[in-house]
Amino acid sequence: RKEVEQDPGPFNVPEGATVAFNCTYSNSASQSFFWYRQDCRKEPKLLMSVYSSGNEDGRFTAQLNRASQYISLLIRDSKLSDSATYLCLYRGSQGNLIFGKGTKLSVKP
Amino acid sequence: NAGVTQTPKFQVLKTGQSMTLQCAQDMNHNSMYWYRQDPGMGLRLIYYSASEGTTDKGEVPNGYNVSRLNKREFSLRLESAAPSQTSVYFCASSEAHRAGGVTDTQYFGPGTRLTVL
Repeated sequence: RKEVEQDPGPFNVPEGATVAFNCTYSNSASQSFFWYRQDCRKEPKLLMSVYSSGNEDGRFTAQLNRASQYISLLIRDSKLSDSATYLCLYRGSQGNLIFGKGTKLSVKP
Repeated sequence: NAGVTQTPKFQVLKTGQSMTLQCAQDMNHNSMYWYRQDPGMGLRLIYYSASEGTTDKGEVPNGYNVSRLNKREFSLRLESAAPSQTSVYFCASSEAHRAGGVTDTQYFGPGTRLTVL
């Protein structure tokens, strides 16, 4: 099993839709999980940390499922400005932080 | 605060030339990182510095060297550039390394787009 895997997409959704991405990971002992957003030709920027209890920031909800070893990002009421690539980051089995390859989201009018 | 800054923003080299990419952070972070990002490959760690005075290899260190000049600055050097090193290079910093939780949060610079002909 790869350390971390993401569906590359692209996810093409209409404005106002709800969309969810998952990121599966292999290190069951990891305590650090994050979602980053990366716009085309820009640097990754932290979207939110992922806590065991789950967390919400406006239209964005992040959850951790330890039993199935994945984190999820839910975006409600999608906006055109949400179009980007979403990267997960977690601490792998060797102790280093590892990025997923990203999921591309395209929100259409 | 500027956060993480990188110079240059763009660079074109010929095979065999050398250059140094500069990175600085003003967040008083202990740890700094160099990544490269290639299409379909995601972000791959080249080298990191957990704290001032230490450096360690990441996933793809071959062909690169680094220097942690002081707490603020972490440079990446290509001694003899090769076309395979054409990529976008990102520098990042975090409060700590392997401390867990929010201290792992990485903050990125704007990147250097390097082309090796």
